[in-house]
Amino acid sequence: QSVLTQPPSVSGAPGQRVTISCTGSSSNIGAGYDVHWYQQLPGTAPKLLIYGNSNRPSGVPDRFSGSKSGTSASLAITGLQAEDEADYYCQSYDSSLSGSGLYVFGTGTKVTVL
Amino acid sequence: QVQLQESGPGLVKPSQTLSLTCTVSGGSISSGSYYWSWIRQPAGKGLEWIGRIYTSGSTNYNPSLKSRVTISVDTSKNQFSLKLSSVTAADTAVYYCARDLSGSYYHDDYYYYYYMDVWGKGTTVTVSS
Repeated sequence: QSVLTQPPSVSGAPGQRVTISCTGSSSNIGAGYDVHWYQQLPGTAPKLLIYGNSNRPSGVPDRFSGSKSGTSASLAITGLQAEDEADYYCQSYDSSLSGSGLYVFGTGTKVTVL
Repeated sequence: QVQLQESGPGLVKPSQTLSLTCTVSGGSISSGSYYWSWIRQPAGKGLEWIGRIYTSGSTNYNPSLKSRVTISVDTSKNQFSLKLSSVTAADTAVYYCARDLSGSYYHDDYYYYYYMDVWGKGTTVTVSS
């Protein structure tokens, strides 16, 4: 039921910069709903990584940054580290169903550190 | 620091009702303007939001599950619960509970946010006879 599209995988060598795109539509990201990002390490629960398009919760390294433009958003990881190998999900809200909105997640992107 | 812990049966028979409880510790479930959500994740797949509840009892559900879902809250026990009826194998998943923030702000235009900032560790539920 994912209405936000992400690339299935991205990879990079340690120290490199990688970006993950999150493409939505006029009923979610383009409708003024903020985008948030979660990191899910293998076998663990998702963890909030970025909220409100570009804000980092306390304790999240500044290597992680987010942005939003139009109907899309992106997550950038600079100075890639081995511990960043995980699945990443974007999330927003969708109001396409009249009178009934719902939280929507991206399809997920696996980041591999080469 | 608020922590959430899911609990409930790990095995449910087809057509029966899945029941899970999320216990909130480290803070009152009634403090602050938080909603409380349930999310699930089938093995090897993505995340699906199930629904949320406010401590007043107000609920919102995923339209695709609405006919089968009930979320309730017990503020005296600092818990909220999920019931999913008429389950099938497709409901087999890891179920997470989470604290949920939502609201709006103005910055040249109105914007809205809905996200989960604290998650439980998750509990695996298998639907099988």
